[in-house]
Amino acid sequence: KAGVTQTPRYLIKTRGQQVTLSCSPISGHRSVSWYQQTPGQGLQFLFEYFSETQRNKGNFPGRFSGRQFSNSRSEMNVSTLELGDSALYLCASSLGTVSMQFFGPGTRLTVL
Amino acid sequence: GQQLNQSPQSMFIQEGEDVSMNCTSSSIFNTWLWYKQDPGEGPVLLIALYKAGELTSNGRLTAQFGITRKDSFLNISASIPSDVGIYFCAGQLGPSQFYFGTGTSLTVIP
Repeated sequence: KAGVTQTPRYLIKTRGQQVTLSCSPISGHRSVSWYQQTPGQGLQFLFEYFSETQRNKGNFPGRFSGRQFSNSRSEMNVSTLELGDSALYLCASSLGTVSMQFFGPGTRLTVL
Repeated sequence: GQQLNQSPQSMFIQEGEDVSMNCTSSSIFNTWLWYKQDPGEGPVLLIALYKAGELTSNGRLTAQFGITRKDSFLNISASIPSDVGIYFCAGQLGPSQFYFGTGTSLTVIP
């Protein structure tokens, strides 16, 4: 079974731009969660989608948004990028219990 | 958000030695998880713990869910070079409510 895939793996943007990251979960998994990982803050939960609905949301500004499609693929969007948004963005999928999450390799976003 | 205190922050050990790390929280968690992350990759789930006092092994790894439900421990026996990486604990409060520790960086010296 293929694992969680994320595209692109690396991205460089400038301040003020927006970016869309994509995540394809493991086949059959309906829950997709997004995390931001930085050296200073560690792994922080952004939001989780289950069956196209946002089920939970972390403490991030409204510039961070997401959605999930009927095939469970998910996208995350960050608008008006700031330097502090530079991070590794990780996506994790699960069948639905969330405790058994499987992470993708992440998208490394650099904001200049 | 919730803070998980993970210690130690880093460890440098000789190959063959045993390793212990732990996570503590001011909150009670329903589930404790341990992950390992290699450079440039996402975290990989090592062990999941679901009830207080539970002791679970996965090969040379053993983890325990503290009886107070506010802590968890991970032990690695007879370390080998491929154990190098960053180990994270995570506590689950409710559906999709996960909080991660700051990580323990492990270096194994051959």
